[in-house]
Amino acid sequence: AQSVTQPDIHITVSEGASLELRCNYSYGATPYLFWYVQSPGQGLQLLLKYFSGDTLVQGIKGFEAEFKRSQSSFNLRKPSVHWSDAAEYFCASYSSASKIIFGSGTRLSIRP
Amino acid sequence: DAGVIQSPRHEVTEMGQEVTLRCKPISGHNSLFWYRQTMMRGLELLIYFNNNVPIDDSGMPEDRFSAKMPNASFSTLKIQPSEPRDSAVYFCASSLGEMAQGFREKLFFGSGTQLSVL
Repeated sequence: AQSVTQPDIHITVSEGASLELRCNYSYGATPYLFWYVQSPGQGLQLLLKYFSGDTLVQGIKGFEAEFKRSQSSFNLRKPSVHWSDAAEYFCASYSSASKIIFGSGTRLSIRP
Repeated sequence: DAGVIQSPRHEVTEMGQEVTLRCKPISGHNSLFWYRQTMMRGLELLIYFNNNVPIDDSGMPEDRFSAKMPNASFSTLKIQPSEPRDSAVYFCASSLGEMAQGFREKLFFGSGTQLSVL
């Protein structure tokens, strides 16, 4: 069955430091992959998506993600985080089962 | 566009009462999704509609939950009777996606309804 795993429940990084949030998917073929961000009290907002082609995907707010088929991973990165990046981040995948499956989320805290 | 609009923003009710959550998708979008978010289970897809037709309701927890989409601009999620374990944030999302292509387009989420059942 299709699944999305985010192994880190909570991550704290210093402002200005680099960030990498992990995401692993389980699906036979290449799924469509997404990263969403949820600010407190808000709905989810799409950061970026991967369907095919270049495995390094650029998104909004300076985020990028790299699809690695060999590792079944789609990790989210940002070279320098800002205090406003504190939020919860969700990885998601879509398969031919016509469902978008979300990971359990990673809460990001920023240390001043 | 105003985005996906959900109401109410907060709902507090007593166990056994009927609860109705409302959603207005983005105009022109033809797919609508209801999600439930809890600390324990994360974000769960309850049901989704395409062109006002329920396509998959396998995520609906039990018969106490029902959802309707009488037209392209309105959907409801009803819980009757409500129970404390239904307490969660309920999100509605919409997208513009053709079934043939699958739901590859991004989802636009509402701000959610925080439901507390006492």
